[in-house]
Amino acid sequence: GAVVSQHPSRVICKSGTSVKIECRSLDFQATTMFWYRQFPKQSLMLMATSNEGSKATYEQGVEKDKFLINHASLTLSTLTVTSAHPEDSSFYICSATTGGYNQPQHFGDGTRLSIL
Amino acid sequence: SQQGEEDPQALSIQEGENATMNCSYKTSINNLQWYRQNSGRGLVHLILIRSNEREKHSGRLRVTLDTSKKSSSLLITASRAADTASYFCATDAGGKLIFGQGTELSVKP
Repeated sequence: GAVVSQHPSRVICKSGTSVKIECRSLDFQATTMFWYRQFPKQSLMLMATSNEGSKATYEQGVEKDKFLINHASLTLSTLTVTSAHPEDSSFYICSATTGGYNQPQHFGDGTRLSIL
Repeated sequence: SQQGEEDPQALSIQEGENATMNCSYKTSINNLQWYRQNSGRGLVHLILIRSNEREKHSGRLRVTLDTSKKSSSLLITASRAADTASYFCATDAGGKLIFGQGTELSVKP
């Protein structure tokens, strides 16, 4: 149980393109989803917290207009990287939780984004 | 930074040996969690230990938590080549996870 599907797994596109990444909880309802960014050989950095039906809460230093997050249902959150540039190239990972106290997060398999 | 620190950064052992990874953190926590990440993949949840617990087991995994020292350890016993991965601790202080830098474990057959 607690499967999170992230799609696509890899994207290669030209500078200036907008890219949408989907995160779905397949067998549970996710009240909260999280979006992380990970650079090679480094830890995960939280970008934003997304609650179903409300605006995402962004971490300090993360551009809201650059990284658009939508959490329209209890099983789907999307991250759109708008007008992507080479410096946005990274590994993006989502996670989902049922909420509540002392619950683990369940992670997708990540999306490798490469901007040429 | 609230990020925790893990040591060692890298650990190389032979199959059958035990592997111990340590994690220190800075703030009060609700719980501490350990995750595993295979190269290029997402994270897999291993164990969650609550702030009022001192030790927890799951199969070949043993986690300890010392809140007075703000530290935790993950012990993998009788390691296997398939245990090769990066291991991260993460502290939960209010719904958000703060990850440590990770330990890269290599288990040689």
